Amino acid sequence: AQSVTQLGSHVSVSEGALVLLRCNYSSSVPPYLFWYVQYPNQGLQLLLKYTTGATLVKGINGFEAEFKKSETSFHLTKPSAHMSDAAEYFCAVSPGGNEKLTFGTGTRLTIIP
Amino acid sequence: EAEVAQSPRYKITEKSQAVAFWCDPISGHATLYWYRQILGQGPELLVQFQDESVVDDSQLPKDRFSAERLKGVDSTLKIQPAELGDSAMYLCASSLRVRDTQYFGPGTRLTVL
Repeated sequence: AQSVTQLGSHVSVSEGALVLLRCNYSSSVPPYLFWYVQYPNQGLQLLLKYTTGATLVKGINGFEAEFKKSETSFHLTKPSAHMSDAAEYFCAVSPGGNEKLTFGTGTRLTIIP
Repeated sequence: EAEVAQSPRYKITEKSQAVAFWCDPISGHATLYWYRQILGQGPELLVQFQDESVVDDSQLPKDRFSAERLKGVDSTLKIQPAELGDSAMYLCASSLRVRDTQYFGPGTRLTVL
């Protein structure tokens, strides 16, 4: 069965600093990988997704993630944090894109002014 | 931009009462999902519809939960009777087809007293 591990339930960075949110996955077949963002009392919004092809994926709001098969990782980065980035971020996996999404437990990102 | 609609946004009920949540997916989306998100955790799939048919309800507590999508458009999730442990955010999502990106609604936050 597939699974997702997000290292760090809480991450704090200063405004303008690099954002790095970690995600490791397990999947028996080549995975589809996703990052979603959730603002308080709202649904999830897709930031970016990896299906096949280029391993560096660019998303909305300046975020990007790199699929590293050898490390079974899909870490999310943003070069310069903005106050509006404060939210909860979820990594998710779907083996081959054919199976249901399995989400990690989330990482709450706090931006320090 | 088309969105997934959910109502109500908030629901407070007493245990043993019945509650129902409604979801209207993006027009034309054949696949509809109901998720439960317990505070501090990632969403967990409860039920998936393809048009009006259930394709996955393996995680749905069928003794108290039911879901329907009679005309293959909007959907209702019901809990009867509600228990304290049902307090959570209930999210609806839809996608054009099974392997396509899922778009989430704002959710219904349920509190059971």
